[in-house]
Amino acid sequence: KQEVTQIPAALSVPEGENLVLNCSFTDSAIYNLQWFRQDPGKGLTSLLLIQSSQREQTSGRLNASLDKSSGRSTLYIAASQPGDSATYLCAVNGGRRDDKIIFGKGTRLHILP
Amino acid sequence: GAGVSQSPRYKVAKRGQDVALRCDPISGHVSLFWYQQALGQGPEFLTYFQNEAQLDKSGLPSDRFFAERPEGSVSTLKIQRTQQEDSAVYLCASSSREGLSNEQFFGPGTRLTVL
Repeated sequence: KQEVTQIPAALSVPEGENLVLNCSFTDSAIYNLQWFRQDPGKGLTSLLLIQSSQREQTSGRLNASLDKSSGRSTLYIAASQPGDSATYLCAVNGGRRDDKIIFGKGTRLHILP
Repeated sequence: GAGVSQSPRYKVAKRGQDVALRCDPISGHVSLFWYQQALGQGPEFLTYFQNEAQLDKSGLPSDRFFAERPEGSVSTLKIQRTQQEDSAVYLCASSSREGLSNEQFFGPGTRLTVL
């Protein structure tokens, strides 16, 4: 059974710093991996989606990497801003017929002004 | 509309009451998903529709939970005889493609509190 773990559960960093969020998964046979952002009381906003054949995806100050063989993904945020404060969720899709998206519990990020 | 919408955004119910949660997916999206997100947890899959057909309901926690999408567009998640453990955010997502493996777009969720 696929399990997704995100470390750390919470993180506070000063504005301007670069930071890395970690996601690990137990079954490397995935179809894709997605990083979401969730603001308090809001739904999920997709940030980056990495197909299993890809190693990384970039969007603005965000860069997500994928190492399928080791079951890991990282989300790198450059030059953090207070507006980046949110919960970041990692989700893995097995891609087989009956597979559902499995989410981690998220990392709560707080950028200190 | 431009995105997935859900109503109501907040619902407070007394234990034992029935509730109905509505999801309006992105127009033309064939796939629709419901998730339950407990406090401090990631979303967990409840059920999946392809057009009007409910192809997977393996995540529904009990027979008190029922979902429908009669015309292949709007969906309703109904919870009968609500219990305190049903308190959670219920998220709806839709996708333009069939199947469970494609990118999903999420609504803002309905926060259900059962007293």
